[in-house]
Amino acid sequence: AQSVTQLGSHVSVSEGALVLLRCNYSSSVPPYLFWYVQYPNQGLQLLLKYTSAATLVKGINGFEAEFKKSETSFHLTKPSAHMSDAAEYFCAVSDYGNEKLTFGTGTRLTIIP
Amino acid sequence: SQTIHQWPATLVQPVGSPLSLECTVEGTSNPNLYWYRQAAGRGLQLLFYSVGIGQISSEVPQNLSASRPQDRQFILSSKKLLLSDSGFYLCAWSVEPRYGYTFGSGTRLTVV
Repeated sequence: AQSVTQLGSHVSVSEGALVLLRCNYSSSVPPYLFWYVQYPNQGLQLLLKYTSAATLVKGINGFEAEFKKSETSFHLTKPSAHMSDAAEYFCAVSDYGNEKLTFGTGTRLTIIP
Repeated sequence: SQTIHQWPATLVQPVGSPLSLECTVEGTSNPNLYWYRQAAGRGLQLLFYSVGIGQISSEVPQNLSASRPQDRQFILSSKKLLLSDSGFYLCAWSVEPRYGYTFGSGTRLTVV
């Protein structure tokens, strides 16, 4: 069964600093991987997705993630944090043929002015 | 383009009252539909999903139920709400999971 682990339920970074949100997955077959962002009282918005093309995936708002099969990781990064990046971030995985995504427990990102 | 509508945005209901939340999708056919719940300080919990009209899969046994009376309509219901039903309810759709989900804007339900 597939699963997703997000290390760190809360991450704080200073404005302008690097953002690194960690995601590790377990899957018996090459997976599809996603990062979503959720602002308070809103639905989830797709940031980026990996579907077996390029291993470095660029998303919206300056975020990117790198698929590393050897480490079973799909960490999310942004070179310079902005106050507007404060939100909750969810990593998700799906196997081919599976009708559902499996979500991680989320990481709340706080930006320190 | 495809859009998803979810209403109401907020709802305050007394314990023991019924519930009906509606979700509709436009611009696509035969979508997979999903209901999730977020309780305060907790992650996403998949409640129900549907791959077609009248086909409902339940992930968590509880006093909630779901129905899909039309291709692009997904309804979450309860006959009698409990305090523990409070939370943020999200509807989502996908063509295939490898394309990801598109989420609605959510319903904040408070049971008092």
